[in-house]
Amino acid sequence: DTGVSQDPRHKITKRGQNVTFRCDPISEHNRLYWYRQTLGQGPEFLTYFQNEAQLEKSRLLSDRFSAERPKGSFSTLEIQRTEQGDSAMYLCASSLKASANTEAFFGQGTRLTVV
Amino acid sequence: GDSVTQMEGPVTLSEEAFLTINCTYTATGYPSLFWYVQYPGEGLQLLLKATKADDKGSNKGFEATYRKETTSFHLEKGSVQVSDSAVYFCALRGGGATNKLIFGTGTLLAVQP
Repeated sequence: DTGVSQDPRHKITKRGQNVTFRCDPISEHNRLYWYRQTLGQGPEFLTYFQNEAQLEKSRLLSDRFSAERPKGSFSTLEIQRTEQGDSAMYLCASSLKASANTEAFFGQGTRLTVV
Repeated sequence: GDSVTQMEGPVTLSEEAFLTINCTYTATGYPSLFWYVQYPGEGLQLLLKATKADDKGSNKGFEATYRKETTSFHLEKGSVQVSDSAVYFCALRGGGATNKLIFGTGTLLAVQP
C-alpha cells in the first residue's frame, strides 16, 4: 500500500495523559499536513511541513500540541496533558509541492477519545 | 478569511434520483475548488476539482462547475446509487504558500434502494 498511513487508528486516553500519533506520507511527497475533524464538522487545518521545516501553524494548535517531521519523512503529532476537548479525528495528508493542480492525499485518520 | 458553506444534511434519496449538494465560498483571489468524499470507515478521497472559473470537474458521474459570479461549486449527479452513500465535503484552496484546504461542514448522503 503506497498511500498515506496513520498509526494508531484509534486511541483512548485519560485526561491529562500525553499521546503521540504518527503519519507516514506517500514517499515522494515533500508536503505534509495535519488536520483535525470534530463530529459534524469538516477538517480544520492545524499545521504543515515542507520537507522537515514546519512552515505554518494554525491558532488551533495550542502550546500543548507539537508536531515534528525529522528528516522530512514521517511526522509525529504530540498532544500533552490531553483535555476532553481534544477528542477528535486527526487527519494527515501529503502532497507534492503545491500548484493549482496539486492533489492532497489523506490518511484514514487517528480517532482520539479523551475520557 | 476564506470560508466554505455547504448545505446541511442528511440528504436522503431513492436510487436513481437526481442529486444536488450546494456549496458556496468566500475567498480572496482565485481559489481552486474541490469536492472530497468520505465513505464509511475510509479516509477522505478527492472526488473532483476545478482550478479556474467556468471549469467543470467531473468523476464517477458527479459534476461541479466553478461559478465565479455566484461564488458557487454545486455538486450534481444525474442518477445516484446506493454505493454513493457517503459524506461529501466541499473545499477550497486559496493562494499563498501554504496551499491548505478549507473545508465545509460536510453533507451526509444516504441513498435508499
